[in-house]
Amino acid sequence: GAGVSQSPRYKVAKRGQDVALRCDPISGHVSLFWYQQALGQGPEFLTYFQNEAQLDKSGLPSDRFFAERPEGSVSTLKIQRTQQEDSAVYLCASSLARPSTDTQYFGPGTRLTVL
Amino acid sequence: SQQGEEDPQALSIQEGENATMNCSYKTSINNLQWYRQNSGRGLVHLILIRSNEREKHSGRLRVTLDTSKKSSSLLITASRAADTASYFCASYTGGFKTIFGAGTRLFVKA
Repeated sequence: GAGVSQSPRYKVAKRGQDVALRCDPISGHVSLFWYQQALGQGPEFLTYFQNEAQLDKSGLPSDRFFAERPEGSVSTLKIQRTQQEDSAVYLCASSLARPSTDTQYFGPGTRLTVL
Repeated sequence: SQQGEEDPQALSIQEGENATMNCSYKTSINNLQWYRQNSGRGLVHLILIRSNEREKHSGRLRVTLDTSKKSSSLLITASRAADTASYFCASYTGGFKTIFGAGTRLFVKA
């Protein structure tokens, strides 16, 4: 299929470990978004890329969170020194171009559990 | 903090009945979208309504928007067991962010 894929689907980390979450957007999609979804809540915006440029990172909760999309396709969300409050599902979405009107296509998410 | 709030938080109905979910938001929007999320899966876009539109239909879905009350509703007619999911409204206010509500959990009993 040609949808958005994310890996790993599940990740268990011990408190203090670093983790890296990968997103493969739909080929040709310019826009890429990362969201954090806590249990029973809606997704919360983390950051936005237009091609390789990170145009909005206002939702990243702390400087332990870092995202990159160096070649304008695959993106990685890295969390350093994980804390228990980082436990959540991390969703990636891509869209053709404009954040304002283009449909966002979501991946299945990575469920992160920090022990 | 999230922009949208959905009501009810959970809804249980019989197959064939209609389901209505409401969403309120806090600031002016450019558009509002509704998404569905099945358990353990990503979100699926259902419908987008622009701020200058009042009503929109797509199959068994009807969305209304009242900008004076800063609210929207999603109606699913003739519900099916397969409609069981969480439904989220998401508002776009400009820039690059889409702000999601906390969702309504719909359970359709066969």
